[in-house]
Amino acid sequence: DGGITQSPKYLFRKEGQNVTLSCEQNLNHDAMYWYRQDPGQGLRLIYYSQIVNDFQKGDIAEGYSVSREKKESFPLTVTSAQKNPTAFYLCASSMGFYDAEAFFGQGTRLTVV
Amino acid sequence: AQSVTQPDIHITVSEGASLELRCNYSYGATPYLFWYVQSPGQGLQLLLKYFSGDTLVQGIKGFEAEFKRSQSSFNLRKPSVHWSDAAEYFCAVFPSSGGSYIPTFGRGTSLIVHP
Repeated sequence: DGGITQSPKYLFRKEGQNVTLSCEQNLNHDAMYWYRQDPGQGLRLIYYSQIVNDFQKGDIAEGYSVSREKKESFPLTVTSAQKNPTAFYLCASSMGFYDAEAFFGQGTRLTVV
Repeated sequence: AQSVTQPDIHITVSEGASLELRCNYSYGATPYLFWYVQSPGQGLQLLLKYFSGDTLVQGIKGFEAEFKRSQSSFNLRKPSVHWSDAAEYFCAVFPSSGGSYIPTFGRGTSLIVHP
């Protein structure tokens, strides 16, 4: 079945460590997105990529980094510079410019202790 | 840039009662409009979408939404709520022309269903 796979579902890290969240899609979508979700704040855009080897900062990119070396993959690294990294992270994809519907992964809950 | 407002943080209804969740948007033209549902600890699932045409849109799970251009609204409705509808609901907009083609989401409305 086509879809978006995020792994792991739960992730625990010590403060000061970098951590990478995986996002893979087999929908042949051009565009991919990373959102952060905190209670009562909805979804806030971290980074997005509309084509391979290109990505743009979203509203809350500080302390995060991404890469888009393959169409199917859009990993997110949460660096030690992110002041409050504990959150629920959602990856999404869409066809891109001509199809607006976004498909979501199941999310990764990151807890930094 | 577009924006989305969901004025109700929480909505409580009794099972079997009707439901309306509000969504207002700000955009220079008519955007593409979406409603998503999220169960705890899960991703978002698309309920319905509006691109153009008939302003009353039918979705999955018995939901419908009506686009009202004059009010810049896209409210979600269900005639009879089931306990399994308890979840978080998000309204989203996507620019229909120009812009950076990024979906923007509202803050969500949490639906609580009483038996």
